[in-house]
Amino acid sequence: DAGVTQSPTHLIKTRGQQVTLRCSPKSGHDTVSWYQQALGQGPQFIFQYYEEEERQRGNFPDRFSGHQFPNYSSELNVNALLLGDSALYLCASSSPVTVSGGSTDTQYFGPGTRLTVL
Amino acid sequence: GENVEQHPSTLSVQEGDSAVIKCTYSDSASNYFPWYKQELGKRPQLIIDIRSNVGEKKDQRIAVTLNKTAKHFSLHITETQPEDSAVYFCAAGGYKLSFGAGTTVTVRA
Repeated sequence: DAGVTQSPTHLIKTRGQQVTLRCSPKSGHDTVSWYQQALGQGPQFIFQYYEEEERQRGNFPDRFSGHQFPNYSSELNVNALLLGDSALYLCASSSPVTVSGGSTDTQYFGPGTRLTVL
Repeated sequence: GENVEQHPSTLSVQEGDSAVIKCTYSDSASNYFPWYKQELGKRPQLIIDIRSNVGEKKDQRIAVTLNKTAKHFSLHITETQPEDSAVYFCAAGGYKLSFGAGTTVTVRA
């Protein structure tokens, strides 16, 4: 049973360029969330995709966009890269669990893509 | 939006002793509270989680407690071992998770 996978592992870009990161969810999962983790900090939620639609979005500019494919894999695109976009980008997959008061997602993380912007 | 505060930022314990990490959250709509362990250069790994309809959960040496009225939850690690050394993150939310800033735990042999 394959876990969450991400590609590439590392990436170096220059300011102003565009980047695409990829994620394949754990088998049986249909939801993909993306997080940005700066050095020494906790992950920050970017957005979540479910049924090929963006379900929730965090406090990130629209330079950050995404897509989910019919096979549940997902891409994160970042345009007009800034130095401050340098971080570890984590993908997490989940399948909703419904409990009293609403649904929650148990999220499992991929290994991440280390993006360096020069 | 949700704001999660985590304390302490660093924790050093003697092997065999207990470690406790505490988190508070702001959004009363949050109903899911996972804890992740992240070793250097690796992905965050889910170690235990608790949902709002449960007050306490235990898994071997790890336990989590949740106080919804006070909006705080805690991680307890008993009989610590050197392999417990890592950064631990608490999180709160539902579909969307908000993370604390992390606690660096060092277990001294």
